[in-house]
Amino acid sequence: QKEVEQNSGPLSVPEGAIASLNCTYSDRGSQSFFWYRQYSGKSPELIMSIYSNGDKEDGRFTAQLNKASQYVSLLIRDSQPSDSATYLCAVTARDDKIIFGKGTRLHILP
Amino acid sequence: DTGVSQNPRHKITKRGQNVTFRCDPISEHNRLYWYRQTLGQGPEFLTYFQNEAQLEKSRLLSDRFSAERPKGSFSTLEIQRTEQGDSAMYLCASSLTPRELTFGSGTRLTVV
Repeated sequence: QKEVEQNSGPLSVPEGAIASLNCTYSDRGSQSFFWYRQYSGKSPELIMSIYSNGDKEDGRFTAQLNKASQYVSLLIRDSQPSDSATYLCAVTARDDKIIFGKGTRLHILP
Repeated sequence: DTGVSQNPRHKITKRGQNVTFRCDPISEHNRLYWYRQTLGQGPEFLTYFQNEAQLEKSRLLSDRFSAERPKGSFSTLEIQRTEQGDSAMYLCASSLTPRELTFGSGTRLTVV
């Protein structure tokens, strides 16, 4: 089992709709969880971090964490064409290294 | 603060040659990470430092890869006897804690 798993997509969502991105992780000792956005040809940039169970909202973005299910998700409300990118889920392992999933390609349809 | 700086941006080398990349982290960040990314994949962990101490090196890395961070400032990643499979984007990132990472622009390596 891979340490961080994501559906590679592409996930196509109409403009203005809600995009839902999911991630599962294998290490029950993980404490920190992140979502990074990566545009084609660019480096990843942090958009959300979450450390405790529940929801965390920041503008149009909501991160959700369920440690019992080892599940992290990212919701993007009112999706815009500029949200089209690859979204990377990352998890801090027990030894503090940060492990990334393969990423989910998101395409917002105008 | 100019962020995380990586040099060179691009490197083309012949198979069998050695290459070295440099990363200058954000000055107050004590943690520095190296990742490798190929097309369609997420960043693959290579190694990381806390100050000058190398805390872990990926078991996936062969002995041809080595990294240093003298005096806890900039870091170098060297690949000896390059192979075509080493072609990738090499990303450096830094952080103040083992949490949010700030990435550099990366060094794209092409082995011909």
